[in-house]
Amino acid sequence: GQNIDQPTEMTATEGAIVQINCTYQTSGFNGLFWYQQHAGEAPTFLSYNVLDGLEEKGRFSSFLSRSKGYSYLLLKELQMKDSASYLCAVRDQAGTALIFGKGTTLSVSS
Amino acid sequence: DGGITQSPKYLFRKEGQNVTLSCEQNLNHDAMYWYRQDPGQGLRLIYYSQIVNDFQKGDIAEGYSVSREKKESFPLTVTSAQKNPTAFYLCASSGTEETQYFGPGTRLLVL
Repeated sequence: GQNIDQPTEMTATEGAIVQINCTYQTSGFNGLFWYQQHAGEAPTFLSYNVLDGLEEKGRFSSFLSRSKGYSYLLLKELQMKDSASYLCAVRDQAGTALIFGKGTTLSVSS
Repeated sequence: DGGITQSPKYLFRKEGQNVTLSCEQNLNHDAMYWYRQDPGQGLRLIYYSQIVNDFQKGDIAEGYSVSREKKESFPLTVTSAQKNPTAFYLCASSGTEETQYFGPGTRLLVL
């Protein structure tokens, strides 16, 4: 079956670095996405990985290892506004919808 | 501005009533999707459409129906057969790069 796992909750302090892990087991693989979702709002796109390695975009980076079925989202220099849910999603075949994990709720405190 | 719009923001349904959620996009995207989100759950796929006049069932299609008569529009009807419709409904679309972009969502509540 299709399965995507991520921790339910994480906490961190302002200015710190946090890593949110995601493991997946899907019938195929055609890309992994990270989205940020603030409470009551729609998810917004953060990053996309289809090849192994690290993709960096400002304070956010995302890593992928296809052989291990593993990705992480790295958030640096945390700010209070980074408190949100972070959703990991996999597309198992081109042209199909995404399979989402349940999301990781990150709480950033001062 | 290009984007995805959903209306209404809040919708109330009475017992036995069908309700329709609107989703419109002006991004010229071919593919559109409907997801449902419940507290503590991930997004679950209801229906998706890769092209006009064609759509496929997702994981939880029972009690829902869709149409795709225009590229810009993908309305979702929640029928009376859906016994637990209270949820946050999200519409998304994607173009050739296949990244999905989401609308602001509709929160459906049962009276």
